[in-house]
Amino acid sequence: EVQLVETGGGLIQPGGSLRLSCAASGFTVSSNYMSWVRQAPGKGLEWVSVIYSGGSTYYADSVKGRFTISRDNSKNTLYLQMNSLRAEDTAVYYCARELGFGRNYYMDVWGKGTTVTVSS
Amino acid sequence: QSVLTQPPSVSGAPGQRVTISCTGSSSNIGAGYDVHWYQQLPGTAPKLLIYGNSNRPSGVPDRFSGSKSGTSASLAISGLQAEDEADYYCQSYDSSLSGLYVFGTGTKVTVL
Repeated sequence: EVQLVETGGGLIQPGGSLRLSCAASGFTVSSNYMSWVRQAPGKGLEWVSVIYSGGSTYYADSVKGRFTISRDNSKNTLYLQMNSLRAEDTAVYYCARELGFGRNYYMDVWGKGTTVTVSS
Repeated sequence: QSVLTQPPSVSGAPGQRVTISCTGSSSNIGAGYDVHWYQQLPGTAPKLLIYGNSNRPSGVPDRFSGSKSGTSASLAISGLQAEDEADYYCQSYDSSLSGLYVFGTGTKVTVL
């Protein structure tokens, strides 16, 4: 069964760091495009970052320079390193597998999410 | 912030047909990029509903259909059922500088 399980969320003070993990099963992370998407309390979905199968990475302007997406092929796991956290980063963070071609990629498998709360 | 605009809410009685619009611009939908739709039931993760403008993944009822024209796209739900009460989001690629993927503002569907 294809599955994604996020861990690593929690309560963190402003300015702190946190690393989220997303363990995949039923498919190979490194062979797919993989994204992080977040949802602030009561708000809509916001794309955060993507790592392509070739290793290229891209970020939303709101997290550029603070967040880093990576993967560990031996563990079949995706990561999101979050530094200099702000209150506005408070959200449920989902990882998702992407399918598609060209620039027409969509997220076909989603994890259940992990909650990050940035507060003093 | 979202660059795809959706109505905040739509409602309908069981059995009726409702449509949700998703309005973009020349840097996303109008540039020819595909539109995809997700359903988010209360308290759960989003689920892929429509991909490539009008394609349904296996297991999605044919009551759900999608279309695209110009700088907009639409999701239609026919034969509305109580279990369709959820939030719906469109998504596309955007060629502007602020990011690769953009989501719509989201639409809450209420079954009366």
